[in-house]
Amino acid sequence: EVQLVQSGAEMKKPGESLKISCATSGYNFTTQWIGWVRQMPGKGLEFMGLIYPGDSHMRYRPSFQGQVTISADKSVSIAYLHWLNLKASDTAVYYCALSGLTLGGCFHIWGQGTLVTVSS
Amino acid sequence: SYELTQPPSVSVPPGKTTSITCGGSDIETKSVHWYQQKPGQAPVLVIYYDSDRPSGIPERFSGSKSGNTATLTISRVEVGDEADYYCQVWDTTSDYVVFGGGTKLTVL
Repeated sequence: EVQLVQSGAEMKKPGESLKISCATSGYNFTTQWIGWVRQMPGKGLEFMGLIYPGDSHMRYRPSFQGQVTISADKSVSIAYLHWLNLKASDTAVYYCALSGLTLGGCFHIWGQGTLVTVSS
Repeated sequence: SYELTQPPSVSVPPGKTTSITCGGSDIETKSVHWYQQKPGQAPVLVIYYDSDRPSGIPERFSGSKSGNTATLTISRVEVGDEADYYCQVWDTTSDYVVFGGGTKLTVL
């Protein structure tokens, strides 16, 4: 069974750094794109970016480029979302989701979400 | 940037059929996917590639596309279908995923 299990909720202060994770199992980690999706409180889904763990090829939505870093560790089949300098506006639930073998597909499996709260 | 337009809300009595639309320029050239999200839960794929249904999704859920509009149709609506629904495409011009703004389905 394919599973994406995300790390737990985080409470951080503005200016701090954070890395959240998405642990995968049940499929070949290097052959499917994994995406990250933000959902701010009471709002809709926003695509952030995708990574292909096989060669670390990435696609970012322009508004997130430079604000976050997406990475993947093939040795442990985990994808990451990393912030260097959190802002209060980063408060949201973040989902990882499996996108398949090629770009342009759907997100067919989702993680359970990680709530990130940034407050002074 | 590419935009998908959904109605903010739709209401339907139990047992009836309802449709949720997703409008976008040249959407007929793109593959449309639909997600259901219940409160406090992660989204679930309910329709992919315009009209295919993942295993485990009831046949009551169907998808179609015509002109500049994709449509998710739910027949014999149940109280358990109450959720937010999002459409999604891959925009080949900007080369990234685009979600619609979401539609809140209320069953009353």
